[in-house]
Formats: sequence, structure tokens, C-alpha cells
Amino acid sequence: QKEVEQDPGPLSVPEGAIVSLNCTYSNSAFQYFMWYRQYSRKGPELLMYTYSSGNKEDGRFTAQVDKSSKYISLFIRDSQPSDSATYLCAMLRSNFGNEKLTFGTGTRLTIIP
Amino acid sequence: DAGVTQSPTHLIKTRGQQVTLRCSPKSGHDTVSWYQQALGQGPQFIFQYYEEEERQRGNFPDRFSGHQFPNYSSELNVNALLLGDSALYLCASSFSGTGDNNEQFFGPGTRLTVL
Repeated sequence: QKEVEQDPGPLSVPEGAIVSLNCTYSNSAFQYFMWYRQYSRKGPELLMYTYSSGNKEDGRFTAQVDKSSKYISLFIRDSQPSDSATYLCAMLRSNFGNEKLTFGTGTRLTIIP
Repeated sequence: DAGVTQSPTHLIKTRGQQVTLRCSPKSGHDTVSWYQQALGQGPQFIFQYYEEEERQRGNFPDRFSGHQFPNYSSELNVNALLLGDSALYLCASSFSGTGDNNEQFFGPGTRLTVL
């Protein structure tokens, strides 16, 4: 069993829709939960991170973490064609810069104009 | 600030050959991590270098080795290439201190194709 599971999609939604992306994990030691966006032929870029359980909002993006269920989500409101990319969830046990990131497989998202 | 840079962009090798990939970290960063991203998969941690030493290693064979230089730049070497080594190789740099400002910044990657 992989430590982090993510539905690879692909997922296609019309412009303006709300997008929900999810990951589950098995390692209860994970404390930091990240969402990365990766455009084609580019490296991943950090969208947002959450420490422990709770919600975090940044513009059109909301990240949720439920540690009791070992389940994390990313919601994108008012989706735009520029949001079309692969979204990767990633997790750390602690101490950002020193820890290895454990990634999900990524969900390929297409926003249809 | 140029961010994390990697070279070359693309590389084609044949089975059994050896390859060296290079990474320059973001200014102010002292830690370099390498990841392998196969097509349709998430990045997998290979190893991390700090103070010119390998600090952590993922589940990769000894054919994968690395080096960090005094200026914090790093190399990834892969010997005896296999077809399964074809992937995007990502370098990420970070600062070794504690705190929430230690985000790992990724470079654009080197796409390696093994024929």
C-alpha cells in the first residue's frame, strides 16, 4: 500500500465550476500537507500548505485536512482554463526543509472554456 | 534570483551508459534534494544533500549517486542505465533551518530518455 493515494483522473470540468481534489494517506506521522501544481514540462510549484488539521484559504483555493480520517482536499472555486495542470498532494513529517516530500500520483485537471 | 536551475533540459542515453545531471539551488539555500518522476506518477525521493554529505536516501539502488559542491550546487549520477530509468529528474532546494519558511523549490527538471 502506498503511503499517499491520489486519484490520477483525468478530471475535466467546465470553466467556473468548483473543483475538488483529494488524497488519503496511511502514515499518521505526517504533519504538513501540501498541494503542488505542475504544468506540462515544468517542475512542481507549491500552491499552499497546511499544518495539522484544519482549513486554509488563499484566494480561489481552499485546502482542508482531516487527520482523524487521514484525508486531505483542495477546492478550486471559479475554475479558470489557466488552472489546467496536474495537482500533486505531498506530505512531510516535520521541519520543511530537511524532510523528504512524499507525493501522491497527481491528478490531471482540465478546465474547459 | 534565477531560482533553481537544472541542466541539461533533455538527455537521450542508451542502456548501460552513465549520466550526470546538474542542479544549482536557489540563492540562500543550502540543501538539495533529488526526485525521480516517472510518466503519470508523482515524484519519488532519491536522496538529499546537505553540507556536501548525503543526509537522507530513498529506496533507490546504489547506481544512483550524488555530490554536493561547496557552492551548494549538486550532481546526480546514474550508472548502468536501465530502460526504467527514463523519467523527469527534479532537483529541489531548501534552507536547512527550522520554521515554516523552508519550502522546497523545484527546478524545471531534466527529462532523461533511455533507449
